[in-house]
Amino acid sequence: ILNVEQSPQSLHVQEGDSTNFTCSFPSSNFYALHWYRWETAKSPEALFVMTLNGDEKKKGRISATLNTKEGYSYLYIKGSQPEDSATYLCAFIRGSARQLTFGSGTQLTVLP
Amino acid sequence: GAVVSQHPSWVICKSGTSVKIECRSLDFQATTMFWYRQFPKQSLMLMATSNEGSKATYEQGVEKDKFLINHASLTLSTLTVTSAHPEDSSFYICSARGSGGDSDEQFFGPGTRLTVL
Repeated sequence: ILNVEQSPQSLHVQEGDSTNFTCSFPSSNFYALHWYRWETAKSPEALFVMTLNGDEKKKGRISATLNTKEGYSYLYIKGSQPEDSATYLCAFIRGSARQLTFGSGTQLTVLP
Repeated sequence: GAVVSQHPSWVICKSGTSVKIECRSLDFQATTMFWYRQFPKQSLMLMATSNEGSKATYEQGVEKDKFLINHASLTLSTLTVTSAHPEDSSFYICSARGSGGDSDEQFFGPGTRLTVL
């Protein structure tokens, strides 16, 4: 059984604050890690696909890092805005299975 | 990005009836589609993987005779929950993967909320 853990489970921040969340996954036989942003009543939206140890990816105010040796990834949001409010999911792919194993997500609420 | 639609977005049915959920890739050909289920406060759990034109592969613990999956074309997969019972009430969501580009990226539909009375 693969365990993908995300923390914190939920988070409230003030508009303008920067924040970050963690995704932990098994470090053995790593293939890829995906980050998704999921707003209520919408489809999960892919943010990043990360494959290499030490990867850093950025999309606007959102960035992510990857450490495959210790089995964790961080997602950072700089200067949070109310429209950033969503659930952020990470998903792990092991070996060549090409199937996603999801964490339970971090629910972010940005207060105006 | 690629768009995946799912229909219906919610459905309420009586115990013992069957419910069909459709998943369509609107602007790309999906060689593989995935069906997930999410119970309250839990993560998305993969139910099955289907490749166009072949039988679906079900995850351990998912009854293939209860959750019928058909992937007859490159743009449509259907999940039929047969003889639904209250314990099947859940959020069902599909995703689709194309054959080009980042071949591991999955594009998700918006999901279907099933309530079985």
